[in-house]
Amino acid sequence: GAGVSQSPSNKVTEKGKDVELRCDPISGHTALYWYRQSLGQGLEFLIYFQGNSAPDKSGLPSDRFSAERTGGSVSTLTIQRTQQEDSAVYLCATSGGLRDTQYFGPGTRLTVL
Amino acid sequence: AQSVTQPDIHITVSEGASLELRCNYSYGATPYLFWYVQSPGQGLQLLLKYFSGDTLVQGIKGFEAEFKRSQSSFNLRKPSVHWSDAAEYFCAVGGNSGGGADGLTFGKGTHLIIQP
Repeated sequence: GAGVSQSPSNKVTEKGKDVELRCDPISGHTALYWYRQSLGQGLEFLIYFQGNSAPDKSGLPSDRFSAERTGGSVSTLTIQRTQQEDSAVYLCATSGGLRDTQYFGPGTRLTVL
Repeated sequence: AQSVTQPDIHITVSEGASLELRCNYSYGATPYLFWYVQSPGQGLQLLLKYFSGDTLVQGIKGFEAEFKRSQSSFNLRKPSVHWSDAAEYFCAVGGNSGGGADGLTFGKGTHLIIQP
């Protein structure tokens, strides 16, 4: 597609449930990033994928968060046993590689009740 | 660790007036600097970026920013704002790979309000 797409656009879940958030990158973009945007913390970097290399997970806030990238393309961010503090907008960005502009998707708004 | 400070949480400017949004960064080496804009319910759009070279960079929508190493600043400017410029503005710094393994570090944002 022309831009980064994310699904779903909105997700409401109950505390303790697992959720999966999806990111479809711009075709040909090898680098993919996940960020979280919340009122209290602002924009936080979570995880980065470069091609098929193992991701840098150091930004993930807890071991309930995990992410994978299939075939160097689509990525899924999974949050297990969701907590209310996980409520935020989750943004995906992709770029053509190092030193290239990051293009952001519209985000997934997650609400944990 | 790198950090970004945007001292102004809110700024109100009259339509047609000039604008300057402040950004200060902390980074141990040569930074890669960015300004993004976010309209309500929208994703982040890149306005401009600085990697190297000319310290005055031009961006989209008539915006420009100047990198001042001595002041650790990267302020965003526009000579005449339009009502459509009302949005949230984020300054960000990336590592020596332009935001590679460490991702981008963002400031808290400045909310721009345009008065008619």
